[in-house]
Amino acid sequence: DADVTQTPRNRITKTGKRIMLECSQTKGHDRMYWYRQDPGLGLRLIYYSFDVKDINKGEISDGYSVSRQAQAKFSLSLESAIPNQTALYFCATSSGQVLTGELFFGEGSRLTVL
Amino acid sequence: AQSVAQPEDQVNVAEGNPLTVKCTYSVSGNPYLFWYVQYPNRGLQFLLKYITGDNLVKGSYGFEAEFNKSQTSFHLKKPSALVSDSALYFCAVRDQGSSNTGKLIFGQGTTLQVKP
Repeated sequence: DADVTQTPRNRITKTGKRIMLECSQTKGHDRMYWYRQDPGLGLRLIYYSFDVKDINKGEISDGYSVSRQAQAKFSLSLESAIPNQTALYFCATSSGQVLTGELFFGEGSRLTVL
Repeated sequence: AQSVAQPEDQVNVAEGNPLTVKCTYSVSGNPYLFWYVQYPNRGLQFLLKYITGDNLVKGSYGFEAEFNKSQTSFHLKKPSALVSDSALYFCAVRDQGSSNTGKLIFGQGTTLQVKP
């Protein structure tokens, strides 16, 4: 089983709809992140969280919100989806105990907004 | 501002030849540098990292990377490319802002195409 699981893997929706992407992890990491991948732009950080009571904006948080329901769960919401939010979304985790540690990524959630 | 640049959108090599995927960085202090690989329809997989020490870092799948402080580069290399190495490669640097967030700043990615 994957250490970082994202659902759904693929979603097609219409403009104005509310969408939630979910992420759960079994790595026991305290830090979780949501990134967005667009061709030619690499990955850009949307939100990140250090623990259940800690939520921080990344570089492109407008139009998104997150919820850290438990240490293992971090969900990303688009309250009113728009076409330019069509992208591949990745959840990632890291350990705050290893200051130079790498990020561990889920398989991604491909979102298409029509 | 901290940043990472991958100057090549695509790199083409023949199987068995050496490969290099280029990365340059800009940070205010000592850099923590990473390489990731993304296969089609998969998430990013960690290949290797440079934190301190030897300038040549060895990683997964036979890849290595050379840290060059004077040229602010961290190029990914492999002595003999395989067709199965064809993928999208990302260079990243750890954000060294005032708080230890663990965030990574990614380059735009380089597609490696290895032909038989």
